[in-house]
Amino acid sequence: GAVVSQHPSRVICKSGTSVKIECRSLDFQATTMFWYRQFPKQSLMLMATSNEGSKATYEQGVEKDKFLINHASLTLSTLTVTSAHPEDSSFYICSASDPGLAVYEQYFGPGTRLTVT
Amino acid sequence: QQQVKQSPQSLIVQKGGISIINCAYENTAFDYFPWYQQFPGKGPALLIAIRPDVSEKKEGRFTISFNKSAKQFSLHIMDSQPGDSATYFCAAPEAGGTSYGKLTFGQGTILTVHP
Repeated sequence: GAVVSQHPSRVICKSGTSVKIECRSLDFQATTMFWYRQFPKQSLMLMATSNEGSKATYEQGVEKDKFLINHASLTLSTLTVTSAHPEDSSFYICSASDPGLAVYEQYFGPGTRLTVT
Repeated sequence: QQQVKQSPQSLIVQKGGISIINCAYENTAFDYFPWYQQFPGKGPALLIAIRPDVSEKKEGRFTISFNKSAKQFSLHIMDSQPGDSATYFCAAPEAGGTSYGKLTFGQGTILTVHP
């Protein structure tokens, strides 16, 4: 149980274009999803928290107009990187939790490697 | 904001040895302390977690020890195997009204188990 998928696993895009990453909870209802960014050999940096049906809460320093998050259903959240630049190249990972069951128990997706050329 | 300090940054252990990774936190909204295991190019996987009112939890070769008064917890991997070679992250719940459900992660420990 507690399986989270992400799509795509890898994406290469040109500078200035937008990229959408999907995060799905496959066997549980994720009322809360988190989006992280991870640089090589570094820890997980939380970008934003999204709750189903409401606006995402962004961490300090994260541009909400650049990283659009939508959590339209209990099993799907999307992250859209708009007008991507090479410095946005990173490993993006989502996690999902069901606070009704276990507030702090987060299950992670496999990650999406974004390369902006 | 919560800080979680994890040590060591890297650890090399011989097969069959014991790997020990430590974490210290400042404050937390809830006594729930998970450890995640991450292989290169993959997302972190929940390895083991300890919950309130428990000072130790063991699952197979993995044990978490929790010292509430010292605000520290540690991961012990007994009989370490080459397949355990990965990066390990500890985490602690964020405290504060706007932090519900959020975790703060340690810096990570790169474990290498030599055969």
